[in-house]
Amino acid sequence: GQQVMQIPQYQHVQEGEDFTTYCNSSTTLSNIQWYKQRPGGHPVFLIQLVKSGEVKKQKRLTFQFGEAKKNSSLHITATQTTDVGTYFCAGSDVRAGFQKLVFGTGTRLLVSP
Amino acid sequence: DSGVTQTPKHLITATGQRVTLRCSPRSGDLSVYWYQQSLDQGLQFLIQYYNGEERAKGNILERFSAQQFPDLHSELNLSSLELGDSALYFCASSVAGQGNGELFFGEGSRLTVL
Repeated sequence: GQQVMQIPQYQHVQEGEDFTTYCNSSTTLSNIQWYKQRPGGHPVFLIQLVKSGEVKKQKRLTFQFGEAKKNSSLHITATQTTDVGTYFCAGSDVRAGFQKLVFGTGTRLLVSP
Repeated sequence: DSGVTQTPKHLITATGQRVTLRCSPRSGDLSVYWYQQSLDQGLQFLIQYYNGEERAKGNILERFSAQQFPDLHSELNLSSLELGDSALYFCASSVAGQGNGELFFGEGSRLTVL
């Protein structure tokens, strides 16, 4: 079945450093979504990418969808302590016709002041 | 506040028991998704309903079942509980029946099986 892996599993950075998490799917995706889950909280939607090679920015966050629509990345510039949490990508297998949104394994980010 | 309501927030029960988790989606959302998150783990997709009908199924155990009612609320039934079923169960809702729209998550129901 469809598998979505993320690397790294965990990253600890100093405030002000950059951070990147990578998302890789075993199958071609219809779209990719990114969510953030704060410690003790629930996942919150960040963004959705649909087109091959698409790049979107939200302030210090840059999201990219790969040309083959099988991978994605989230880059945070100059991290802040408020960025702490686990970042999940989620995608739908193109063969499944948008059904069954599968979440990646997640990357936990810790930011030290 | 996402607008998705889950009850109960916490539940402690014993092995072999049966529990029901309830989810009320955001007003106007027709789709409900159930996910299981074990300690420090990812989100495992269980099942999705759209307007009362099952739309997609993930790795949901046969001991688990779900349904979506005419008023669009959903229930996840977990039976013959085992220690390994201890987890945080999230419900999410979306407007569309397809997985190409934002999911709004509830705060989750934390199940502890002793």
